[in-house]
Amino acid sequence: GIQVEQSPPDLILQEGANSTLRCNFSDSVNNLQWFHQNPWGQLINLFYIPSGTKQNGRLSATTVATERYSLLYISSSQTTDSGVYFCAVLNQAGTALIFGKGTTLSVSS
Amino acid sequence: DAGVIQSPRHEVTEMGQEVTLRCKPISGHDYLFWYRQTMMRGLELLIYFNNNVPIDDSGMPEDRFSAKMPNASFSTLKIQPSEPRDSAVYFCASSLRDTQPQHFGDGTRLSIL
Repeated sequence: GIQVEQSPPDLILQEGANSTLRCNFSDSVNNLQWFHQNPWGQLINLFYIPSGTKQNGRLSATTVATERYSLLYISSSQTTDSGVYFCAVLNQAGTALIFGKGTTLSVSS
Repeated sequence: DAGVIQSPRHEVTEMGQEVTLRCKPISGHDYLFWYRQTMMRGLELLIYFNNNVPIDDSGMPEDRFSAKMPNASFSTLKIQPSEPRDSAVYFCASSLRDTQPQHFGDGTRLSIL
């Protein structure tokens, strides 16, 4: 099955710093989503981005499907950005999301 | 718009008891998914439905687990009898079509004592 690897596993930032999270996947995908799991455990949809680039406020994401990776950019980080960021891709059957292990982000003021 | 609604948010029960988790998908979504999140295994698919029909239950860990979707707006996940190793966060998600984004509920945090 598809393997999803995220890096770095942990990231510690000062408020205001920028960061880049990476997601590598081992096969072609029909879908790729980025989620933020907040300290209350909720999984928040950030981006649906099987290819191309999208931006939403301080967050943006780029997926290069031909090279099998996606990047999530966080600019001017805030303490509320803390949590775990997951990349998830659709398996070859096109149904179950396969999740990476996540990047744990801690932003301090 | 209402998102995916799960209940209860938290459940604490004793080993051997029956547990029922509930999910209401987003109206109009044809696909419903049940995932489980544990520290050891991360987020994994348990089962999914298309138009109320179970399609793939290969992720269901044991016969103690069962899931139903009696209509387009309601699904249940049952564990009977429950065991301490079933303790986890259970998420329900729905999507419009198979390759469309999946939207997750807030999850049910289950603790089996």
